[in-house]
Amino acid sequence: RKEVEQDPGPFNVPEGATVAFNCTYSNSASQSFFWYRQDCRKEPKLLMSVYSSGNEDGRFTAQLNRASQYISLLIRDSKLSDSATYLCVVDMDSSYKLIFGSGTRLLVRP
Amino acid sequence: GAVVSQHPSWVICKSGTSVKIECRSLDFQATTMFWYRQFPKQSLMLMATSNEGSKATYEQGVEKDKFLINHASLTLSTLTVTSAHPEDSSFYICSARGVRAYEQYFGPGTRLTVT
Repeated sequence: RKEVEQDPGPFNVPEGATVAFNCTYSNSASQSFFWYRQDCRKEPKLLMSVYSSGNEDGRFTAQLNRASQYISLLIRDSKLSDSATYLCVVDMDSSYKLIFGSGTRLLVRP
Repeated sequence: GAVVSQHPSWVICKSGTSVKIECRSLDFQATTMFWYRQFPKQSLMLMATSNEGSKATYEQGVEKDKFLINHASLTLSTLTVTSAHPEDSSFYICSARGVRAYEQYFGPGTRLTVT
């Protein structure tokens, strides 16, 4: 079983749509969780950290379910500029070594 | 936010040669830097953890004699791919741990092509 698993997609949605991605992780002792965004042939950039209580940043909402060991990212009112690959990232053992999921590709069409 | 640079941004080399990639934290000191590799359509894979003034810690399956890491100062880590082969062609990305330990700042990556 992969340490961090994501649906590769692609998710092809129209502008203005709401889209959600899920991610599961294998190590129940994991402490830190993040969503990163990666554009084609670029480095990943931190989108948001994921807290146990859930957190929201504008159109983006992240949630963590420790019991089921999954993390979600909800994007509301999708923009064309949201097209990218979204990486679920977990710090497995609090050593600050990040384990990346394979990413979910999002395509937002006009 | 913190800035991390990498040099070169891309390099083409012949099989059998060595290539050095630099990773610099420009406006902060980074005691820990990480080196990742990403093959096309795959995710980032951690290669090694580089700590200033000590030997790097390599992930399982990464040859330490092939991928030499030096972290001689708080702002610079280097990765040398020795005797490069076409299968080493990849996107190499470094990151530096920020002031808040859980934050990592990524460099823009180096695209290596070995012919």
